[in-house]
Amino acid sequence: QLQLQESGPGLVKPSETLSLTCTVSGGSINSFSYYWGWIRQPPGKGLECIGNVYYSGITYYNPSLKSRVTISVDTSKNQFSLKLTSVAAADTAVYYCAGRAPFGPIDYWGQGTLVTVSS
Amino acid sequence: DIQMTQSPSSLSASVGDRVTITCRASQSIRSYVNWYQQKPGKAPKLLIYAASSLQSGVPSRFSGSGSGTDFTLTISSLQPEDFATYYCQQSYSTPPDTFGQGTKLEIK
Repeated sequence: QLQLQESGPGLVKPSETLSLTCTVSGGSINSFSYYWGWIRQPPGKGLECIGNVYYSGITYYNPSLKSRVTISVDTSKNQFSLKLTSVAAADTAVYYCAGRAPFGPIDYWGQGTLVTVSS
Repeated sequence: DIQMTQSPSSLSASVGDRVTITCRASQSIRSYVNWYQQKPGKAPKLLIYAASSLQSGVPSRFSGSGSGTDFTLTISSLQPEDFATYYCQQSYSTPPDTFGQGTKLEIK
């Protein structure tokens, strides 16, 4: 059973870059033909998909965030990462890493990490 | 992009009630809809996948139905632990995934 764990700073200053890493344990990220991705949830609000990277390295981004987002996978470390540039207070949220198969449900979730954007 | 419209946004009900939450897709997504339950401070938990398949370990009072554009999640007899927020999500298209706006189920 795979486990996902987010890591990264919990506080980021406005205009700086938010960087998070998701470490996958319990199996090789390469052995799953999965979309690995990031979902965020602002306080008291709903779920928003930021984007995904397919195990092959192909990326898919939310059009509303595309200009600021980079998602990458490092199979040697069994990790995938998120970079969100030029952050503002509206980017304050719990960030989840997650994984699903094509056409499948999101069956792997990290526990989530709160990132606050504040000076 | 496929939009998912979920209703109602909130719902008050009592233990033992039958409740239904609906989700409408902006285009046909066949049966590729999934339902999640989220409690405060926790990651969403998968309840139903492929519109009507019950995830292992989920109580049978939860059920899903629908195909094409219209889907429902039904809880046949509410239990105290069911008061939470529920989300639908489509997995028909390539990412980014889209979710419904959520339904907060509260105790009456």
